[in-house]
Amino acid sequence: QQQVKQSPQSLIVQKGGISIINCAYENTAFDYFPWYQQFPGKGPALLIAIRPDVSEKKEGRFTISFNKSAKQFSLHIMDSQPGDSATYFCAGENAGNNRKLIWGLGTSLAVNP
Amino acid sequence: DAGITQSPRHKVTETGTPVTLRCHQTENHRYMYWYRQDPGHGLRLIHYSYGVKDTDKGEVSDGYSVSRSKTEDFLLTLESATSSQTSVYFCAISEGGLGETQYFGPGTRLLVL
Repeated sequence: QQQVKQSPQSLIVQKGGISIINCAYENTAFDYFPWYQQFPGKGPALLIAIRPDVSEKKEGRFTISFNKSAKQFSLHIMDSQPGDSATYFCAGENAGNNRKLIWGLGTSLAVNP
Repeated sequence: DAGITQSPRHKVTETGTPVTLRCHQTENHRYMYWYRQDPGHGLRLIHYSYGVKDTDKGEVSDGYSVSRSKTEDFLLTLESATSSQTSVYFCAISEGGLGETQYFGPGTRLLVL
């Protein structure tokens, strides 16, 4: 059973455009929501994360928007660049689950020059 | 890759043979994880450890065992490799508190013929 649903599966964006990836979760006990970025041949690396006490977090061109009532969160990449081409994973974690992340299935982003 | 090494990086083996993958960290982090990554399935947790000799199963643990006799080493053993275990295997570490980043190793690409 998948507790974090991620969409779209793949995304193509033109350089300078906005990339938007969405995730929905089921477990209301989740209290930490990270996004990881993975380049081909590499392991995932933390990109940005949010806790449910805020509705938005921004780091440079990357923003997480969080809607607690809808149990949804999204990643926005502003001014998308070819170097942003990667696979992005959302995840959820709750304190009672012994530090296990529940992962979405990933979104493959391609930014065309 | 945050002081995490995985060995071997590539391995080809035959069905029915035992295989051991090693994860070594120099960060002294408490938690260590083994994931497998397959197209269409994202990252799936195999086993994890929350201390020396303390391990627990993840969502796809059948056919795998782990051991952690030292803080820095976490071994994943495929008891009798099958073709369905062909995958890319990632080790990850974290300090263990809620919201702590998981740091991933470079991965091991395993092909079971």
